[in-house]
Amino acid sequence: GDSVTQMEGPVTLSEEAFLTINCTYTATGYPSLFWYVQYPGEGLQLLLKATKADDKGSNKGFEATYRKETTSFHLEKGSVQVSDSAVYFCALNGNQAGTALIFGKGTTLSVSS
Amino acid sequence: DAGVIQSPRHEVTEMGQEVTLRCKPISGHNSLFWYRQTMMRGLELLIYFNNNVPIDDSGMPEDRFSAKMPNASFSTLKIQPSEPRDSAVYFCASSPNVGGSGTEAFFGQGTRLTVV
Repeated sequence: GDSVTQMEGPVTLSEEAFLTINCTYTATGYPSLFWYVQYPGEGLQLLLKATKADDKGSNKGFEATYRKETTSFHLEKGSVQVSDSAVYFCALNGNQAGTALIFGKGTTLSVSS
Repeated sequence: DAGVIQSPRHEVTEMGQEVTLRCKPISGHNSLFWYRQTMMRGLELLIYFNNNVPIDDSGMPEDRFSAKMPNASFSTLKIQPSEPRDSAVYFCASSPNVGGSGTEAFFGQGTRLTVV
């Protein structure tokens, strides 16, 4: 079945460092891909998404490009802030209405000043 | 828009007791999902509904777990009897049932369940 694999954390960075969190997927057809973020004590929020190959999703300085040839959707940010400390989840859903999101295990990011 | 509303936010119960978690999806959303989050297993899909009908419950761990959606604005997840290994954060999410993929799910703040 469909699945998502994320790099294991935790990732610890200094403020203004470059961030990459790797995500690869296995799916039939052409899924949509998502990054969600979870701040401490809260639910998940959508960070960005891409619905077809070569699309780039971006939000709040974060970017990810849908690479069909490598089945990847890596999350990047050029300069992280302390406020970016959170758990990041890569997810996919299939190309039918009302299908459920399948999540990776999450990567914890800790940014220090 | 109030978002997805879950109750209670925290629940502590004794092993063997019945636990009921509640969810109110965003108005107009036709898909509803229940997820469980633990350190060991990450975020697991338990069950989801489209138009109040259960579509896939293959993630429900065992018969002690049951979920219902009696109408478009309310769903429950029940555990009876509860066990310590059920301790986790349970999330409800909803999504508009529009055509095609790419539709995001909106999450509630979760219910942290502790079974002692």
